[in-house]
Amino acid sequence: AQSVTQLDSQVPVFEEAPVELRCNYSSSVSVYLFWYVQYPNQGLQLLLKYLSGSTLVKGINGFEAEFNKSQTSFHLRKPSVHISDTAEYFCAVENTGFQKLVFGTGTRLLVSP
Amino acid sequence: GAVVSQHPSRVICKSGTSVKIECRSLDFQATTMFWYRQFPKKSLMLMATSNEGSKATYEQGVEKDKFLINHASLTLSTLTVTSAHPEDSSFYICSAWTQETQYFGPGTRLLVL
Repeated sequence: AQSVTQLDSQVPVFEEAPVELRCNYSSSVSVYLFWYVQYPNQGLQLLLKYLSGSTLVKGINGFEAEFNKSQTSFHLRKPSVHISDTAEYFCAVENTGFQKLVFGTGTRLLVSP
Repeated sequence: GAVVSQHPSRVICKSGTSVKIECRSLDFQATTMFWYRQFPKKSLMLMATSNEGSKATYEQGVEKDKFLINHASLTLSTLTVTSAHPEDSSFYICSAWTQETQYFGPGTRLLVL
């Protein structure tokens, strides 16, 4: 069975500082990987996804993530965060072609001035 | 592209009544949609997979007679919470699958008094 681990429940960071949100997964088969962002009282917005090809994936709002198969990781990074990046971030994995997502428990990114 | 809407965004109802939530894919067709439930400060819990033209597939522990799902067209799935009780109060989010990705609606906040 698949699982996703987001070890950091909360990450505080100052505005304009870099940030990394960690995501590790376990699966015995090939996977698709996703990062979603959720602002308060809203649904999830897709930040970026890895399906195949280049392991460095660029998404919206200046975020990027790198798929590392040997370490089974898909960490999310941004070189300089803004106050508006304050939100909940979810990592998710899908067994290739099975459509169902397994979510991590989420990481709350808190950006302060 | 890949926009998903939900209606209503918020609903308050009395205990014992039924509530219907609509999920629409606005600019694409979706043979598969998903319904999730999210508790405060928690991750998303998959309730069921909605398949156009066939019965929904419910996750273990989800009462199919309590949460009725109908996927009557390629752009619309509905979730009906029957005989709602206060413990059904939650944030319900749908998603629609296209291009190897799930796109999420903005969510529906249900409060049962």
